[in-house]
Amino acid sequence: NAGVTQTPKFRILKIGQSMTLQCTQDMNHNYMYWYRQDPGMGLKLIYYSVGAGITDKGEVPNGYNVSRSTTEDFPLRLELAAPSQTSVYFCASSYEFLRNWETQYFGPGTRLLVL
Amino acid sequence: KNEVEQSPQNLTAQEGEFITINCSYSVGISALHWLQQHPGGGIVSLFMLSSGKKKHGRLIATINIQEKHSSLHITASHPRDSAVYICAVTYSGGGADGLTFGKGTHLIIQP
Repeated sequence: NAGVTQTPKFRILKIGQSMTLQCTQDMNHNYMYWYRQDPGMGLKLIYYSVGAGITDKGEVPNGYNVSRSTTEDFPLRLELAAPSQTSVYFCASSYEFLRNWETQYFGPGTRLLVL
Repeated sequence: KNEVEQSPQNLTAQEGEFITINCSYSVGISALHWLQQHPGGGIVSLFMLSSGKKKHGRLIATINIQEKHSSLHITASHPRDSAVYICAVTYSGGGADGLTFGKGTHLIIQP
């Protein structure tokens, strides 16, 4: 199993450009998550999904959109990139609700720089 | 706001030393996670616990639910333990199911 994969690894965007961060997991997990990690700060939840066709906002959803058309894929869309979105983005997945003491599996991260 | 606080922020120690990293949180939780972020950026889950103590190799994690506090201990530390250690919780209440993270403890073990 590849686990959780993310593409691209690194990207530079100009202000106002759009892009999609890809995330795929091959563990047949129901739950998927997008986090961002800013320097010196803890990771923050952007969006999460509890299954195909179902998504919900996390702590910092503004400026982002997500979709979940399949169990495996959970892309994150930035429509109008802003410098405040410069960050490292992590995708993660788990089989069940984390409150049921499930372990979360993380992708390798995507480093995004908006100039 | 639900907070997760870690201490210390940075820790440098000599190989072989016993390491303790602390985590405190503000409200009731379902579970507490300890994660390790490698220098290359990858994140792996070390422990998940809701009570008591867990041990894996040289790593030991404890939690005191009444005091809302957890510790991660590393015995016989080694340079390969150098990483950022992150505490995270899932809260008991409703709302988003994701983790709430501390800012991490940057650990350096010198040979």
